[in-house]
Amino acid sequence: GESVGLHLPTLSVQEGDNSIINCAYSNSASDYFIWYKQESGKGPQFIIDIRSNMDKRQGQRVTVLLNKTVKHLSLQIAATQPGDSAVYFCAENYSGGGADGLTFGKGTHLIIQP
Amino acid sequence: ETGVTQTPRHLVMGMTNKKSLKCEQHLGHNAMYWYKQSAKKPLELMFVYSLEERVENNSVPSRFSPECPNSSHLFLHLHTLQPEDSALYLCASSQDWIPGDKFYEQYFGPGTRLTVT
Repeated sequence: GESVGLHLPTLSVQEGDNSIINCAYSNSASDYFIWYKQESGKGPQFIIDIRSNMDKRQGQRVTVLLNKTVKHLSLQIAATQPGDSAVYFCAENYSGGGADGLTFGKGTHLIIQP
Repeated sequence: ETGVTQTPRHLVMGMTNKKSLKCEQHLGHNAMYWYKQSAKKPLELMFVYSLEERVENNSVPSRFSPECPNSSHLFLHLHTLQPEDSALYLCASSQDWIPGDKFYEQYFGPGTRLTVT
């Protein structure tokens, strides 16, 4: 089975509300995590990353939380805007895992309701 | 033109055709990647090139043949594909590729939507 997964395939939120997208991973040795945003017709775009020695990292309107105890990663988007509509997926990397690179989750489609 | 570009953006081919996907990066990076993105499945790494040398072939069937003539260009040659090969093929690049060491951010192109009939 896949190493990284998301809890919900689709998330619908009202414009202006906060969005929380969740991700579960199974490799406790993973030491680096990334959230990507993929808009329709485009390739994935890096949003924010976090290393395993951190619990929280903030960017512009986005926050990533890492809970290593339960192997859970979340992406919080504040004051969701129409431009946030996209598929979001997480990826993990284990630096000792050889040349396998990133392991990606399936993605959550974030839908913004006006 | 900046970033990572891919051509064509859309491709429809029969199972007996031969076609090629092209990727070009304008970022001065040393590593380039091919990924496959199928509907409702996670992104799958296919190939990795570092300094024009193939460093990773992730158990990809031989009907997919990559080529990296220089550090800025990457091709994926396709022949005798199957309908299940229909997917979005994404190219990416990063500054370097050093497994087991520092992770370098990957920059993705817009992808080629491939349909095999």
